[in-house]
Amino acid sequence: DQQVKQNSPSLSVQEGRISILNCDYTNSMFDYFLWYKKYPAEGPTFLISISSIKDKNEDGRFTVFLNKSAKHLSLHIVPSQPGDSAVYFCAASEGGGATNKLIFGTGTLLAVQP
Amino acid sequence: EPEVTQTPSHQVTQMGQEVILRCVPISNHLYFYWYRQILGQKVEFLVSFYNNEISEKSEIFDDQFSVERPDGSNFTLKIRSTKLEDSAMYFCASRGTSGGAPTQYFGPGTRLTVL
Repeated sequence: DQQVKQNSPSLSVQEGRISILNCDYTNSMFDYFLWYKKYPAEGPTFLISISSIKDKNEDGRFTVFLNKSAKHLSLHIVPSQPGDSAVYFCAASEGGGATNKLIFGTGTLLAVQP
Repeated sequence: EPEVTQTPSHQVTQMGQEVILRCVPISNHLYFYWYRQILGQKVEFLVSFYNNEISEKSEIFDDQFSVERPDGSNFTLKIRSTKLEDSAMYFCASRGTSGGAPTQYFGPGTRLTVL
């Protein structure tokens, strides 16, 4: 039951260029989407989120775009830096109640080449 | 900046033994979670805890698992009789208030190895 999918296991980009990480979902009840970054042997670190009522959210070099009709979101990193090299997880939450558990995608390994 | 902490960072145990994984969530947070990540797989939800009780648990969280908030700061996950397939990274997370983005902040994880 893969409600959140990241179809690209890896991505390599040159320093200074744009990195685009993609995520698809199937559950139309998700109301928030979040991106986390993870280094080996560390916990996921929150990057940016977007509400399902918006189509774009920007924070510095990071922008998340949401296309609800296509059930697709993407994370843009501009410009990419070598320190951005990590695994990026897309996660979704279905609102309400005392849970808001996160459902994660499988992750995309981003390698930014100097 | 406040952060979630977890101990130990690595726990090695024999199959059938009990383990307790410990977490100190961010101090003013109200919602607490455990997730796990088996090597090479995605991060999976185990359980959520709010107002001193479990609010939701996954199919993974069977009778061998339990959680507790024994005092105002710690949040623990106990596995009563460990199995080989329990070997994974276990992450604790916490969240502040209801409403708004449900951002959860994760600890560094405990690597559990069951031999």
